Amino acid sequence: DTAVSQTPKYLVTQMGNDKSIKCEQNLGHDTMYWYKQDSKKFLKIMFSYNNKELIINETVPNRFSPKSPDKAHLNLHINSLELGDSAVYFCASSQVLSYGQETQYFGPGTRLLVL
Amino acid sequence: QQQVKQSPQSLIVQKGGISIINCAYENTAFDYFPWYQQFPGKGPALLIAIRPDVSEKKEGRFTISFNKSAKQFSLHIMDSQPGDSATYFCAASLMFSGGYNKLIFGAGTRLAVHP
Repeated sequence: DTAVSQTPKYLVTQMGNDKSIKCEQNLGHDTMYWYKQDSKKFLKIMFSYNNKELIINETVPNRFSPKSPDKAHLNLHINSLELGDSAVYFCASSQVLSYGQETQYFGPGTRLLVL
Repeated sequence: QQQVKQSPQSLIVQKGGISIINCAYENTAFDYFPWYQQFPGKGPALLIAIRPDVSEKKEGRFTISFNKSAKQFSLHIMDSQPGDSATYFCAASLMFSGGYNKLIFGAGTRLAVHP
């Protein structure tokens, strides 16, 4: 059984369109994340939710809007897509082992290409 | 202050050799240092991690060396195998208000192990 799943795996779309990426985790974790990985493989956190509450909101254009309907799901909606949004988007969830020590479990990624 | 600097950007090692990847940080508030391994087309996965009160941690062929005074840590892969070919990310965990953690990733090192 997949621990963290994302759909779709690939997304090719035109500039200006609106698209959504969905993420689900079946690990029972309270915290979920969205990361962006650019073409140089740099991995940067975008958002984090804990029990449906936004706890991290990095400097991300407000065209990106995360939504967490419950603690097992974290979706990412992107309005007015731009060429620079092309990247791989990873969802992750985490379990805190003890003080400050957590393991993040990543999904397989969604490869977004904006034409 | 929140950066983690990782080197080298890429590394080629012969099978059976030792792979060494280095990371450095400035923020002494970081309290946990994991390494993640990412294979092409997959999400990153936790490989090994260390707390700052420990100078070394070994798991199989993978060892983290941690130098708190120098604010540096490194990953050593002994007897490197072609199956180790992947991108490796060091990371540092920062606790913020509310008791939540945020991972700051290094830029990644692409390791290729040649047979």
